Amino acid sequence: ETGVTQSPTHLIKTRGQQVTLRCSSQSGHNTVSWYQQALGQGPQFIFQYYREEENGRGNFPPRFSGLQFPNYSSELNVNALELDDSALYLCASSPGTSGSSYNEQFFGPGTRLTVL
Amino acid sequence: DAKTTQPTSMDCAEGRAANLPCNHSTISGNEYVYWYRQIHSQGPQYIIHGLKNNETNEMASLIITEDRKSSTLILPHATLRDTAVYYCIVRVPYSGGSYIPTFGRGTSLIVHP
Repeated sequence: ETGVTQSPTHLIKTRGQQVTLRCSSQSGHNTVSWYQQALGQGPQFIFQYYREEENGRGNFPPRFSGLQFPNYSSELNVNALELDDSALYLCASSPGTSGSSYNEQFFGPGTRLTVL
Repeated sequence: DAKTTQPTSMDCAEGRAANLPCNHSTISGNEYVYWYRQIHSQGPQYIIHGLKNNETNEMASLIITEDRKSSTLILPHATLRDTAVYYCIVRVPYSGGSYIPTFGRGTSLIVHP
């Protein structure tokens, strides 16, 4: 059984650019969540996707957007990057049966984004 | 609006029990308490969760007070590999019917020889 994988591992961008981060969920999981973790802080929930639909969103601006594909893999897109977007971006998948319950989440290793 | 309160840091001797407290005084009746931990440079790892009753699994025990306003995660025989940041999470209802997990800053547990 393959765990949650994320790519790339590290990424450096400049302010104003756009970035796409990718996540492959664990086999059999239909729910994917994305988190932003700044240095020294806990993960902050960005949004969650269930069967290709967004069904939960944290306090992040619209320039943070996402997609979930039929194979339940997912992308996080961030437009107009700002310096404060520098963080570890974590993806987590779960075997949500309805999308509205919070089951145990399996996290990937994260993508370290640095915005200069 | 913080949903959980945890001590910033704790330490424990190897082989002894580590007891990590969490205050969630505003928890509502249908909200679960979840615990995760994050070892440096890795993604968080699920430990245990509970609603009302005490729970135990191969990793830890979770003790929830009768009024559900606080809980304690117990690592019965801490090892050096248990050094990590431990997060106590309460599900936060989302208007769309989903639940937003809210991580605080967690407790940094250091297990020393």
